[in-house]
Amino acid sequence: KAGVTQTPRYLIKTRGQQVTLSCSPISGHRSVSWYQQTPGQGLQFLFEYFSETQRNKGNFPGRFSGRQFSNSRSEMNVSTLELGDSALYLCASSLTGAGANVLTFGAGSRLTVL
Amino acid sequence: GQQLNQSPQSMFIQEGEDVSMNCTSSSIFNTWLWYKQDPGEGPVLLIALYKAGELTSNGRLTAQFGITRKDSFLNISASIPSDVGIYFCAGEANTGNQFYFGTGTSLTVIP
Repeated sequence: KAGVTQTPRYLIKTRGQQVTLSCSPISGHRSVSWYQQTPGQGLQFLFEYFSETQRNKGNFPGRFSGRQFSNSRSEMNVSTLELGDSALYLCASSLTGAGANVLTFGAGSRLTVL
Repeated sequence: GQQLNQSPQSMFIQEGEDVSMNCTSSSIFNTWLWYKQDPGEGPVLLIALYKAGELTSNGRLTAQFGITRKDSFLNISASIPSDVGIYFCAGEANTGNQFYFGTGTSLTVIP
């Protein structure tokens, strides 16, 4: 069974640009969560989607957005990039996102903003 | 948001030694998860805990869900060099659908 796939693995952008990251969850998993990981802040929750609906959102500015498609694949977008957006962006999927669930992570997308 | 205090922040141990790390929360959690992350990779699940007092092992790893539901610990026995990495705890709050992560424990094993 394939794991969580994130693309691209690495990317470099400049300030002011925008970026879209993609996540394909494990087959059958309907919940997708996104996290930002930086050395100083650890894993910070961005948002969680289930059945194409955003159920939870972390404390990030509106420049960070996401969506989920009918096949459970998810994308997140960051507009007007800032230097501080440089981070490892992790996607995790779970069966339903509630109850006795676990998060299975992808390898992440490493974003560098110059 | 919820705060998870994970300690210690880093550990340097000799190969063969036992390791213990813990997480505490200001709120009650329904689920505790422990992950290990290697450089450049995503976190990998080690142990999942679902009931207060539950003690679960995975090889040389043992984790417990605190009876207050506000804490959890992870023990690694007889450490080996491949145990090197960053260990994270994560808790799922009563509201569900969202996991909160500790700040990680960086483990270095000296051969």
